[in-house]
Amino acid sequence: RKEVEQDPGPFNVPEGATVAFNCTYSNSASQSFFWYRQDCRKEPKLLMSVYSSGNEDGRFTAQLNRASQYISLLIRDSKLSDSATYLCVVSPSNTGKLIFGQGTTLQVKP
Amino acid sequence: DAGVTQSPTHLIKTRGQHVTLRCSPISGHKSVSWYQQVLGQGPQFIFQYYEKEERGRGNFPDRFSARQFPNYSSELNVNALLLGDSALYLCASSLAGDYGYTFGSGTRLTVV
Repeated sequence: RKEVEQDPGPFNVPEGATVAFNCTYSNSASQSFFWYRQDCRKEPKLLMSVYSSGNEDGRFTAQLNRASQYISLLIRDSKLSDSATYLCVVSPSNTGKLIFGQGTTLQVKP
Repeated sequence: DAGVTQSPTHLIKTRGQHVTLRCSPISGHKSVSWYQQVLGQGPQFIFQYYEKEERGRGNFPDRFSARQFPNYSSELNVNALLLGDSALYLCASSLAGDYGYTFGSGTRLTVV
């Protein structure tokens, strides 16, 4: 079983739609959680950290459920520029290691 | 300020050859990590170095090795290249190796 599992998609949505991505992780010792965005043939870039209390950054909302070992990302009012691969990332305690999911591809269409 | 810089950007090698990839972290960052990303997958952790010491190693064969220099730059070496080593190799730097990673644009290695 993969340590971090994501539905690879692709998710094809129209502009303005709301889309949600989910991710599960297997290591209960995981301490830190992130969503990264990766554009085609580019490096991953941090989109946002994820906290148990949930956090929001503009159109993006991330949630963490430690009991279910589940992480989510909600994108509201999708833009064409949101088209990318979204990587769910966990980091076990005191390791400095990032464990990436396979990524979920989002394609926003006009 | 320069971000994380990696060289070369692209590389083509033949099976059995050796390759060295280089990474310069953001100024002031003391930790460098290496990741391998094959097409269609997320990056996979190879090594982490902090203050020139290896702090962690992923599930990669001994053909993979790395080191960090006094100026905190790093090299990743891969011996006896296999076709399956074809991937995007990413370097990430952080202040202390525990959070706040910034990735370089990567080296795209093709083994033929």
